[in-house]
Amino acid sequence: AQSVAQPEDQVNVAEGNPLTVKCTYSVSGNPYLFWYVQYPNRGLQFLLKYITGDNLVKGSYGFEAEFNKSQTSFHLKKPSALVSDSALYFCAVRDGDTGGFKTIFGAGTRLFVKA
Amino acid sequence: EAQVTQNPRYLITVTGKKLTVTCSQNMNHEYMSWYRQDPGLGLRQIYYSMNVEVTDKGDVPEGYKVSRKEKRNFPLILESPSPNQTSLYFCASRAGYEKLFFGSGTQLSVL
Repeated sequence: AQSVAQPEDQVNVAEGNPLTVKCTYSVSGNPYLFWYVQYPNRGLQFLLKYITGDNLVKGSYGFEAEFNKSQTSFHLKKPSALVSDSALYFCAVRDGDTGGFKTIFGAGTRLFVKA
Repeated sequence: EAQVTQNPRYLITVTGKKLTVTCSQNMNHEYMSWYRQDPGLGLRQIYYSMNVEVTDKGDVPEGYKVSRKEKRNFPLILESPSPNQTSLYFCASRAGYEKLFFGSGTQLSVL
């Protein structure tokens, strides 16, 4: 069965500092991995994805994530946080070998960036 | 503009009164899905549809129905809502194995 764990309910970081939001996953086949962001009173927006290829993927708004197969992780990173990055972040996984009918989401991590 | 449109945005109802939340996408996507979002639980899939007239249960389908008579529309039906269905609901669609496009959400309160 697929599952996603986001071990931190909340991450606090000062503006200008690097940020990391952690994600680990479990899937029997090839993982398709995604990060989405949710701003207040909005739907989820796509940030980046890993399907195949380079383990380091770059996405919107300066975010990047590294796929680590041995650690089954897909942590979201940004070199320099902005106050406007404060939002709820979701990691998600699909099993690429079973047709990808289901996308499983983590519980979400709330990011607070302090000025 | 490519988008997924949900209506209504907010809905307050009473236990047992049937309701429908509409979802429409203009991207010709074959795949559509409904999720509910609850604090600490993330998004959980209710139902999904791979194409017209093809629907299947997600992880939390009890108390919900869906239909897919046209490619662009995927309504969510609560025939007898209960307070435990109070939640934030999202419709989403995608093409192939790509990213999901989400609607703006429907905040449902069942009293």
